[in-house]
Amino acid sequence: DAGVIQSPRHEVTEMGQEVTLRCKPISGHDYLFWYRQTMMRGLELLIYFNNNVPIDDSGMPEDRFSAKMPNASFSTLKIQPSEPRDSAVYFCATWGAGGYTFGSGTRLTVV
Amino acid sequence: QQPVQSPQAVILREGEDAVINCSSSKALYSVHWYRQKHGEAPVFLMILLKGGEQKGHEKISASFNEKKQQSSLYLTASQLSYSGTYFCGSPITTSGTYKYIFGTGTRLKVLA
Repeated sequence: DAGVIQSPRHEVTEMGQEVTLRCKPISGHDYLFWYRQTMMRGLELLIYFNNNVPIDDSGMPEDRFSAKMPNASFSTLKIQPSEPRDSAVYFCATWGAGGYTFGSGTRLTVV
Repeated sequence: QQPVQSPQAVILREGEDAVINCSSSKALYSVHWYRQKHGEAPVFLMILLKGGEQKGHEKISASFNEKKQQSSLYLTASQLSYSGTYFCGSPITTSGTYKYIFGTGTRLKVLA
């Protein structure tokens, strides 16, 4: 199993631009989570899905953030428009029989 | 509501032992332990579900107290590869909504 795959690994964008982060979960893992990590706030849960259905998005900071999971093998996190304070590492993680598995993360820098 | 970990940071020599604590003001449903190395994703170490549970390998183990408000991670005969930041985490429900919270983190550095 290739694990949780995220793309891109690094993203540098200008303020105001749309950013889309992608995640391919581990097959068979029914739960998918999007996290954000910064030095100031640590790890924060943004949203999670169960069987492709968004269950709790209360961690999404603003309406500029949106997430979708159109099928069991793909999820996106979109920020539109992006702002410098969105700069962080964004992790996708899935939950299955072996526990949590995190993707390698996407390091987003908004300039 | 965030679990508090102690110590915040610890420096060890190879071969020394360490204990990392995770304390919550409320009983936790379960507790998960992770290690994150700098610039990498967190790696899941283990989960404890029951009060009084102890589990783990010979050198890395954990316990969950009876009241399920405190968990400890035990690192025995530490190795250089143990360096990183350790987090506890737990699912909680607030007003019927599931959330997941991480502890404050403990930075561990093992020196040769």
